[in-house]
Amino acid sequence: AQKVTQAQTEISVVEKEDVTLDCVYETRDTTYYLFWYKQPPSGELVFLIRRNSFDEQNEISGRYSWNFQKSTSSFNFTITASQVVDSAVYFCALVDLGGTALIFGKGTTLSVSS
Amino acid sequence: DADVTQTPRNRITKTGKRIMLECSQTKGHDRMYWYRQDPGLGLRLIYYSFDVKDINKGEISDGYSVSRQAQAKFSLSLESAIPNQTALYFCATSDSGREAFFGQGTRLTVV
Repeated sequence: AQKVTQAQTEISVVEKEDVTLDCVYETRDTTYYLFWYKQPPSGELVFLIRRNSFDEQNEISGRYSWNFQKSTSSFNFTITASQVVDSAVYFCALVDLGGTALIFGKGTTLSVSS
Repeated sequence: DADVTQTPRNRITKTGKRIMLECSQTKGHDRMYWYRQDPGLGLRLIYYSFDVKDINKGEISDGYSVSRQAQAKFSLSLESAIPNQTALYFCATSDSGREAFFGQGTRLTVV
């Protein structure tokens, strides 16, 4: 069975701090895809990244970086020098070849204060 | 135009009323999904469809029904709305299950 765990329910930081959002997943398949989405207060879901299980390279995009470790079944997301505009709910999600749809974690609410 | 369009965007309805949420997509994808989001619970799958003749229940289908009128259209109905169906609803589409394109969401309030 697939499962995504985001243990951090809420995180509060001050602007310019670095923050890491944790994501731990479970799947029996060897082929799967991991995702991060951002949901700002306006409510829409903004796609951030997709990573397949065969690509363990870390990814950096501006202030965002992702650390994928199959050994610990984790796909963590780091925001460097956080900004108020980063305040949002962040979701980690998983789909494997045996799955039918993305399975989401419960989300982490990030609050960045100035 | 958005790839996935949901209507209405916001709706307030009374307990016991029937309501339909509509979704249309221009991606040409076969797979379509309805999710429900509640605070602290993430997104949970209600129904999904892999083609026009295929309808499947998701994790939380009780109290909901769907209709796949065409490849591009997938509607979600609440036959008799109840207050605990107050939530944010998302429609999504996918070609392979390896990615998903989401609509803007429908905020439904049942009073």
